[in-house]
Order: sequence, then structure tokens, then C-alpha cells
Amino acid sequence: GESVGLHLPTLSVQEGDNSIINCAYSNSASDYFIWYKQESGKGPQFIIDIRSNMDKRQGQRVTVLLNKTVKHLSLQIAATQPGDSAVYFCAERFTGNQFYFGTGTSLTVIP
Amino acid sequence: GAVVSQHPSWVICKSGTSVKIECRSLDFQATTMFWYRQFPKQSLMLMATSNEGSKATYEQGVEKDKFLINHASLTLSTLTVTSAHPEDSSFYICSARSDQETQYFGPGTRLLVL
Repeated sequence: GESVGLHLPTLSVQEGDNSIINCAYSNSASDYFIWYKQESGKGPQFIIDIRSNMDKRQGQRVTVLLNKTVKHLSLQIAATQPGDSAVYFCAERFTGNQFYFGTGTSLTVIP
Repeated sequence: GAVVSQHPSWVICKSGTSVKIECRSLDFQATTMFWYRQFPKQSLMLMATSNEGSKATYEQGVEKDKFLINHASLTLSTLTVTSAHPEDSSFYICSARSDQETQYFGPGTRLLVL
């Protein structure tokens, strides 16, 4: 269902390593998913999306994996850079207009 | 990607005043706009969904008389926080969606009520 005000989990990675951010979504009927990046004090920024008829989609340095069996979504960032430090949210579309957001994960890249 | 703007970026006001926040889609027509609020270190909380020319649909627990939403055109939605109080201090973010599926977010408006 809709995201509630939970505090964010954190992930720290070394610069140059790969990052994996996970998200469990709630509705098996959700058909479209988006990953957003939010830097401090800014609005969320679209990173990559995937439809439910796909298992994997790649972008520039990012890959999204979708496992519908366990309702799990992951975002992989290759060769993580300091500029990747941000909060990452997954969003699921349950009905035509309604998107629900995960709690978010705070990624810190250690130089 | 599509560009969504918000104005103002920052608002500091006295308790009891009303504050209007504008959300504009700059390079596309937004059939649907969404308003969120976000507290520090927390996720986005959907407040309401608005479609151009019709009344907004509010999420449970959001007072429609407190948070007035007007989606007057395909490129503009406004959120008015009426009689703001310190507990209304938050980061308010809008997003807009065209006929395509993706929501694009504005940069957010930080409201501080003294």
C-alpha cells in the first residue's frame, strides 16, 4: 500500500564498487515500476523504469531487476561514484493513476 | 526528461497565514498532477491526486479544507496550505504526468511555519 513515514535504511559503498538497492513492493497487480533518485533538498529524479512483462532493463550504469514471484525490485549501480550518493526510491503503479513509493534507501559513496 | 517547476522554493511564514505553492509542467501537458509531502529522512507521502478541471482526490487522513488543490490548466496545479501551523512545516513536492506513464517531479518547496 502507500508508503508510510518510516525512517530510511542506509547503504554505504566504496567508490568504484557496484551498489545494489532493494525494494519490496506490495501489490501483485502492479504493472509498472520506477526508480527515483533524490538528492538532499531536491525533488526526486527519474532514473529508470520497467514494466511487469520484463525481468530486466538496463540503462547507463544502472540495471533494474524485477522478480514478480516475490514482489521484489532491485537497482544495480555499476562503478558507483560520489555523485550517486542520494536517497533512492522505488515506485509501483497499482492503478492507472496511483503510484506508491517504497521507504527509500540512503546510499552513501565513500571516496 | 520532462521539466516540472515549483514556486516558491522556500517559504517562511507566521502561524495562521495561508501559503500557495505552484506546480508547473514546462514542456508538456500534465493530465494528472500529484502532491506529496516529505519529512526529513522519510519517504514521500502522497497527499492528493488532481486531474485538470476536476476536484482533487485526497488520500486518507489529508484534510481537503486544509490543503486546497486547484488544477486549473494542463500545465498548472496549486496547493494552498490554509491557516498554516508549525506542524505543517515540511517539504512539499509535486509531480506531473502526461499521457505517458512516468511521473516527473518538481524540485520541491520547503515550508517553515513559525
